[in-house]
Amino acid sequence: GAVVSQHPSRVICKSGTSVKIECRSLDFQATTMFWYRQFPKQSLMLMATSNEGSKATYEQGVEKDKFLINHASLTLSTLTVTSAHPEDSSFYICSAGTSGGDNEQFFGPGTRLTVL
Amino acid sequence: EDKVVQSPLSLVVHEGDTVTLNCSYEVTNFRSLLWYKQEKKAPTFLFMLTSSGIEKKSGRLSSILDKKELSSILNITATQTGDSAIYLCAPNSGGYQKVTFGTGTKLQVIP
Repeated sequence: GAVVSQHPSRVICKSGTSVKIECRSLDFQATTMFWYRQFPKQSLMLMATSNEGSKATYEQGVEKDKFLINHASLTLSTLTVTSAHPEDSSFYICSAGTSGGDNEQFFGPGTRLTVL
Repeated sequence: EDKVVQSPLSLVVHEGDTVTLNCSYEVTNFRSLLWYKQEKKAPTFLFMLTSSGIEKKSGRLSSILDKKELSSILNITATQTGDSAIYLCAPNSGGYQKVTFGTGTKLQVIP
């Protein structure tokens, strides 16, 4: 299957700093990538849909100025958590779908963010 | 608002048992339903279901969709400890492969 990578896998930062997470599709082009957040013992919640070359579409309740998404190429999307606070500590996962009408999504390994 | 409900929320079984996990959904513009297995990190893909009544099988796992009842089941036969995970059901609605995840069923298989 298609491979999606994320970097970093784990990050610890101080409150008030910004953190950038990268999501790459390694062997396919993804016009659309998705960013999810998962709090402990909860399911994945879609944060935003990242579209190559255009603005991201955010889900209700997700602050677009706090979670900046850039999908600069067909293989890279970045999520920047700006002015991070302890309540932003979570597991962030990206996914990407292959082209050709298939609905299957491939997930990155996730990034564990801890904000002190 | 899209809704996905999975049951049971958690389940403990012994190796060799057969389990059935349930998923019911209410989504607009339903296109397909995906099942994922999540262990320690990101989910891994199991099945994609688009048509009612057609069973998909992969080894000891099988799944079927009922579009009339807006539901799906995932069966695991002869369970093994390696099947212990959270199983997520995710209907795809609308375009751009957007999926909505259920809360998952946490399965624990004990020796």
